[in-house]
Amino acid sequence: GNSVTQMEGPVTLSEEAFLTINCTYTATGYPSLFWYVQYPGEGLQLLLKATKADDKGSNKGFEATYRKETTSFHLEKGSVQVSDSAVYFCALLNTGGFKTIFGAGTRLFVKA
Amino acid sequence: DGGITQSPKYLFRKEGQNVTLSCEQNLNHDAMYWYRQDPGQGLRLIYYSQIVNDFQKGDIAEGYSVSREKKESFPLTVTSAQKNPTAFYLCASDVGDTQYFGPGTRLTVL
Repeated sequence: GNSVTQMEGPVTLSEEAFLTINCTYTATGYPSLFWYVQYPGEGLQLLLKATKADDKGSNKGFEATYRKETTSFHLEKGSVQVSDSAVYFCALLNTGGFKTIFGAGTRLFVKA
Repeated sequence: DGGITQSPKYLFRKEGQNVTLSCEQNLNHDAMYWYRQDPGQGLRLIYYSQIVNDFQKGDIAEGYSVSREKKESFPLTVTSAQKNPTAFYLCASDVGDTQYFGPGTRLTVL
């Protein structure tokens, strides 16, 4: 079946540090991959996505590359800010599917 | 502004009571979803509806019910049969491959 595994949190970083949150997936077919972000007390919102192998999604300084050979979609940011503190969810949607599969989420704390 | 609204933001229920969570969207999306979020876990799908007057069970539908009488509205009822209903509930709709979420309702059973 389809599944998403992401690194456990919390991840605690100082402002301006480099961020990596690992995400690997298992899927039949050729899924689209997503990162969603959830700020405290809110719903999720799409951060970035990639729909085919080797695509790079990017938004707000975050980026992730769809790596089919390693079935991964790691989230990176070169310099985090306090305002990036949130929970990050990796997700996949299989081709022709309607059900998005979410990982467990990784909480990020950024200290000033 | 287009979006999804959920109400109430916080809801308290006594054991044995049914409660209904509201979800309204003005995005003109056909598909709508209800998820449950528990600490340290990902989102789990309760019910989804791809079109008015039709809905399907998700992975954890037991103890929940829904209706989809209007395109804009997809209310979720948490019944007394749900053994552990305390959680954060998220409603979403989608177009294409992207989901749009409401702000959530936090339900606490007293």
